Amino acid sequence: LAKTTQPISMDSYEGQEVNITCSHNNIATNDYITWYQQFPSQGPRFIIQGYKTKVTNEVASLFIPADRKSSTLSLPRVSLSDTAVYYCLVGDIPPGGGADGLTFGKGTHLIIQP
Amino acid sequence: DSGVTQTPKHLITATGQRVTLRCSPRSGDLSVYWYQQSLDQGLQFLIQYYNGEERAKGNILERFSAQQFPDLHSELNLSSLELGDSALYFCASSGEWGGGYTFGSGTRLTVV
Repeated sequence: LAKTTQPISMDSYEGQEVNITCSHNNIATNDYITWYQQFPSQGPRFIIQGYKTKVTNEVASLFIPADRKSSTLSLPRVSLSDTAVYYCLVGDIPPGGGADGLTFGKGTHLIIQP
Repeated sequence: DSGVTQTPKHLITATGQRVTLRCSPRSGDLSVYWYQQSLDQGLQFLIQYYNGEERAKGNILERFSAQQFPDLHSELNLSSLELGDSALYFCASSGEWGGGYTFGSGTRLTVV
């Protein structure tokens, strides 16, 4: 499994765009990149998943450069409720079996201030 | 409601005891994963089942075991409990073609 490196913590202000970068230098050809958000005492929640280039959904964008050795989660116009831990996971998602026990690291603790 | 149901939500038990945590995956998901989260260890992968069969093992202790039943619900059995087993235990499920995991709300286990 590809090892990931993220900042331990970040802070920003309401209304700002926040970018969290994850390094995954040994990403394999079949690996996907998935980001999760976790609030205290709750299970992580899927945010976005991608393989290459850019993916956008209603809550975030995911930028993946051509070499795929890093990825950036972009949260537009954050609010206080975006204060949470964000995890970057990299791993294979084979057909017929789901994702094989991906390990979450310590994640990035994002703090949004008024 | 994520679609993944975990019971019980809270459990307090004494050292040396045995408990069973239950998980019903999201409808249609064949894969079930168990995770342990404690303050100092982060989110640790324990074990994965796919359609009734064990698929992958992580940092699961020998005192812990799990199984997935024909109706796809799963149970995590924790025995000879120690104080250090106090943690949040999450179950997650996933579909066939990516889309990430869907987590339940967890079971908070307190061993006293």
